[in-house]
Amino acid sequence: KNQVEQSPQSLIILEGKNCTLQCNYTVSPFSNLRWYKQDTGRGPVSLTIMTFSENTKSNGRYTATLDADTKQSSLHITASQLSDSASYICVVNTNYGGSQGNLIFGKGTKLSVKP
Amino acid sequence: DAGVIQSPRHEVTEMGQEVTLRCKPISGHNSLFWYRQTMMRGLELLIYFNNNVPIDDSGMPEDRFSAKMPNASFSTLKIQPSEPRDSAVYFCASSLGLAGWETQYFGPGTRLLVL
Repeated sequence: KNQVEQSPQSLIILEGKNCTLQCNYTVSPFSNLRWYKQDTGRGPVSLTIMTFSENTKSNGRYTATLDADTKQSSLHITASQLSDSASYICVVNTNYGGSQGNLIFGKGTKLSVKP
Repeated sequence: DAGVIQSPRHEVTEMGQEVTLRCKPISGHNSLFWYRQTMMRGLELLIYFNNNVPIDDSGMPEDRFSAKMPNASFSTLKIQPSEPRDSAVYFCASSLGLAGWETQYFGPGTRLLVL
């Protein structure tokens, strides 16, 4: 069964600290993996997308990694800011042909950054 | 440039009533997606359209749900009759196309409460 599991479910860190969010998937075939950030009361916003051949991709203070062999991805946030408080959702596309119709969503990690 | 527009932002209704959610995609985008988000199940894809044509409605929970896209700039999701278990946040998203690497842009969501 295609599944995307995220951990931890929730996380509290102090402003300025780093943190890493995990995403494990049991999805086949694999097309790409995307991380979304969802602020409270708003829709998700795409942070990064990674294909099978990519190991690391950065977007400012956000760095995503992908290990296609172990089917794991992580999202590392450096020097956290209060505005990083949000839910982070991992999404895996199972359609090797590249269509958007086979997206498997994780339930997200809720990050709270405290001053 | 306006993003995806959804209305209403909040809807409170009584069980058995008809509910209509509206979405205006980003101009120039030819793919539109309807999602439902709950704490228990996370984000779920309900139905998506390409060039105003429904491509896959396998995520629609039951016949009480229907969606239309009469033109490139407007879509509706209708629930009739509504039930308390339909309470959720409903998101509309649009993208330039259906290719797996295309980014979906989400609207702010409609928070539905069925009493």
